[in-house]
Amino acid sequence: AQSVTQPDIHITVSEGASLELRCNYSYGATPYLFWYVQSPGQGLQLLLKYFSGDTLVQGIKGFEAEFKRSQSSFNLRKPSVHWSDAAEYFCAVGDKAAGNKLTFGGGTRVLVKP
Amino acid sequence: EPEVTQTPSHQVTQMGQEVILRCVPISNHLYFYWYRQILGQKVEFLVSFYNNEISEKSEIFDDQFSVERPDGSNFTLKIRSTKLEDSAMYFCASSKQGKNSPLHFGNGTRLTVT
Repeated sequence: AQSVTQPDIHITVSEGASLELRCNYSYGATPYLFWYVQSPGQGLQLLLKYFSGDTLVQGIKGFEAEFKRSQSSFNLRKPSVHWSDAAEYFCAVGDKAAGNKLTFGGGTRVLVKP
Repeated sequence: EPEVTQTPSHQVTQMGQEVILRCVPISNHLYFYWYRQILGQKVEFLVSFYNNEISEKSEIFDDQFSVERPDGSNFTLKIRSTKLEDSAMYFCASSKQGKNSPLHFGNGTRLTVT
């Protein structure tokens, strides 16, 4: 069965500093991979996705993620965070055999210091 | 940008009562989903729905749960006899296609069972 691990439950970063959120997955083949963000009281907003091709994918709000098959990872990065990036971030893997059934990681809560 | 809308945002119900959570998916989307997030836990897949029938469901989605698309716009989740452990945030999502198509989530309905 597929699974997703986000090792960091909380991360605190200063505004303007870089951010990297870790995601490791377990899946039998090349997965579909996603990052979602959830601001307080809001739903899950898609930041970016990887289906195939270029392993470095660009998303909204200046985020990018890199798929590394050898490390079973899909880490999310942003070069310079803004206070509005404070939110919870979820990595998810999609089951190709089951349409869009997603398995989510536990999430990483990002706090941004002024 | 079109959105998935969910109503109500918060529902309080007594144990044993029936509850219906409502969702309006994005209008040209064909695949519909319910996920839930118990407080402090991961977002979990419940069910996917396509062409007026369930395409996949998780172990959580037992006989107490049902989904329906009663008209051309709404997608509902019914819990027949709520239990305390049904308290969670329930997210509706839709996608234009099955595979290779990202999910768009609503803001969720927080269900509290007392």
